[in-house]
Amino acid sequence: AQKVTQAQTEISVVEKEDVTLDCVYETRDTTYYLFWYKQPPSGELVFLIRRNSFDEQNEISGRYSWNFQKSTSSFNFTITASQVVDSAVYFCALSEARDTNAGKSTFGDGTTLTVKP
Amino acid sequence: DTGVSQDPRHKITKRGQNVTFRCDPISEHNRLYWYRQTLGQGPEFLTYFQNEAQLEKSRLLSDRFSAERPKGSFSTLEIQRTEQGDSAMYLCASSVGNQPQHFGDGTRLSIL
Repeated sequence: AQKVTQAQTEISVVEKEDVTLDCVYETRDTTYYLFWYKQPPSGELVFLIRRNSFDEQNEISGRYSWNFQKSTSSFNFTITASQVVDSAVYFCALSEARDTNAGKSTFGDGTTLTVKP
Repeated sequence: DTGVSQDPRHKITKRGQNVTFRCDPISEHNRLYWYRQTLGQGPEFLTYFQNEAQLEKSRLLSDRFSAERPKGSFSTLEIQRTEQGDSAMYLCASSVGNQPQHFGDGTRLSIL
């Protein structure tokens, strides 16, 4: 069975601070995908990133960066110089990578990030 | 690319009534997924289709729930004899094969 744990339920920071959202996962699969989604107050889940379990390279996209460590089953997400518009619920998710599985995802319970001006 | 469209956005109904939701995926996306999300939790997988074939159903999907995708395009999710516990946001997503899923805005169901 797959499981995703986001231990931080809520985080509050002041604008321009850096913030890291933690994600720990469990799976028996050797090949899998990890995702981060953003859910703003409007409700739509916005895809941010997908990583393949074979690719442990960290990734940076603008103010966003992701640290994937297979040894600790973690896929953490850092926002640098946070902005008020970053306020949202962030979800980490896991799916099997075998095509026959169709990629259904197991989500964590989310971390609510509030960035104050 | 008009995105995944879900209708209605909100549905309020009395306990015991039947409700039906519709999802229009991004055109040419062959996979379509239904998830349910309750307050304070992440989305939970309900079922998915590849083209018109329903290939997997979660244990969460009781026999009161049925989903169809008759022509491999739009999908409907019906809940019969609704119960209080069915109150949730129902999310639809679509993808091309195993590519990242694109989500709609969801249908929020409230049971009175």
